[in-house]
Amino acid sequence: NAGVTQTPKFRVLKTGQSMTLLCAQDMNHEYMYWYRQDPGMGLRLIHYSVGEGTTAKGEVPDGYNVSRLKKQNFLLGLESAAPSQTSVYFCASSYATSRNTEVFFGQGTRLTVV
Amino acid sequence: KQEVTQIPAALSVPEGENLVLNCSFTDSAIYNLQWFRQDPGKGLTSLLLIQSSQREQTSGRLNASLDKSSGRSTLYIAASQPGDSATYLCAVRPGGATNKLIFGTGTLLAVQP
Repeated sequence: NAGVTQTPKFRVLKTGQSMTLLCAQDMNHEYMYWYRQDPGMGLRLIHYSVGEGTTAKGEVPDGYNVSRLKKQNFLLGLESAAPSQTSVYFCASSYATSRNTEVFFGQGTRLTVV
Repeated sequence: KQEVTQIPAALSVPEGENLVLNCSFTDSAIYNLQWFRQDPGKGLTSLLLIQSSQREQTSGRLNASLDKSSGRSTLYIAASQPGDSATYLCAVRPGGATNKLIFGTGTLLAVQP
């Protein structure tokens, strides 16, 4: 019963380095999301996808790119990391049907940019 | 712009007490509202989902209500236990074509044994 799995769980980057966060879900969900969580700011949507091959910008997309080449995977990329991107990143997924849009979250990736 | 507020930011109660957590939102045009629990250093666990046409949902000791017209939801926890200690987050899914959740900043609950 894996649900939503994120890798890695922790990472320290130097300013200017790049990295990719991987999210995988095994629930056959159409929608996938990337959020960041910061103290006092709550969770904010970075990017989301409504299906394989589609992506869209959320509330705070600058500095991030995403790809959804397979339905079960949603990748979040940081091309040139900045200290302001130090945060906890959460991936989530849900069905598209109107009757059940309950959102399920992964365990998070704690990223520190020094 | 939809805004979600949770009051209080923190709450401490003795074990066994019944308690209510509050969530308010500024735009009543929502698709649904979801309550989550987050333990320290962990992800979010879905507790209850209320569709906009529903008034309440129950799961075990948890009961969530929704008053869309007044922009309010409450999460009622009966007979609280130390294991209920966590941060509780509410999130609304805005109406229309968007496919995202707008989160409140949460209520940190501590249940004292």
